[in-house]
Amino acid sequence: EAGVAQSPRYKIIEKRQSVAFWCNPISGHATLYWYQQILGQGPKLLIQFQNNGVVDDSQLPKDRFSAERLKGVDSTLKIQPAKLEDSAVYLCASSLTGWNEKLFFGSGTQLSVL
Amino acid sequence: AQRVTQPEKLLSVFKGAPVELKCNYSYSGSPELFWYVQYSRQRLQLLLRHISRESIKGFTADLNKGETSFHLKKPFAQEEDSAMYYCALSGPNTGNQFYFGTGTSLTVIP
Repeated sequence: EAGVAQSPRYKIIEKRQSVAFWCNPISGHATLYWYQQILGQGPKLLIQFQNNGVVDDSQLPKDRFSAERLKGVDSTLKIQPAKLEDSAVYLCASSLTGWNEKLFFGSGTQLSVL
Repeated sequence: AQRVTQPEKLLSVFKGAPVELKCNYSYSGSPELFWYVQYSRQRLQLLLRHISRESIKGFTADLNKGETSFHLKKPFAQEEDSAMYYCALSGPNTGNQFYFGTGTSLTVIP
């Protein structure tokens, strides 16, 4: 089966610039997650979608981060404006239904904010 | 609050030696526990989950509710086991979230 697709693979920007990441989950997967993984740490959930609705965005810095999942399929995560501490790998994952299901991860986008 | 602790950031063992990667958790109720693995230049992927009670690539993990642990074990380590391992927890009390530990980098020395 096709995996979770993410782009771009790498992104380098200067602080205060904006950036967007794209994710295409596995076909038929209702749940989509965006994780932030800072070097040396485990993945931290930013936002979780169930179809096109937000289930949990409690850890999303809403003053600068936004995400959407139009039509319950693809998703984009945006940072505007970026800060130095946003440098991390941004992982997209999907699962068939929810919390007790296996997560399928994308390759991630490595963001460097200079 | 839900939490996953992996006390070892780095672990080195010789090929053929037993390996144990530790994971402790805090959770109110019955959690779902997982081990995810990331090999070099590959994406993060599920290794095993406790509900399946299966052995994958020779690895097993037993959920010990008394000690709130879910340690990953393999009797004879292989070089291809070198990777980053993450313990993860989920359950109805987490709001459908997955909580990940900070990971353990395992190096198997030839």
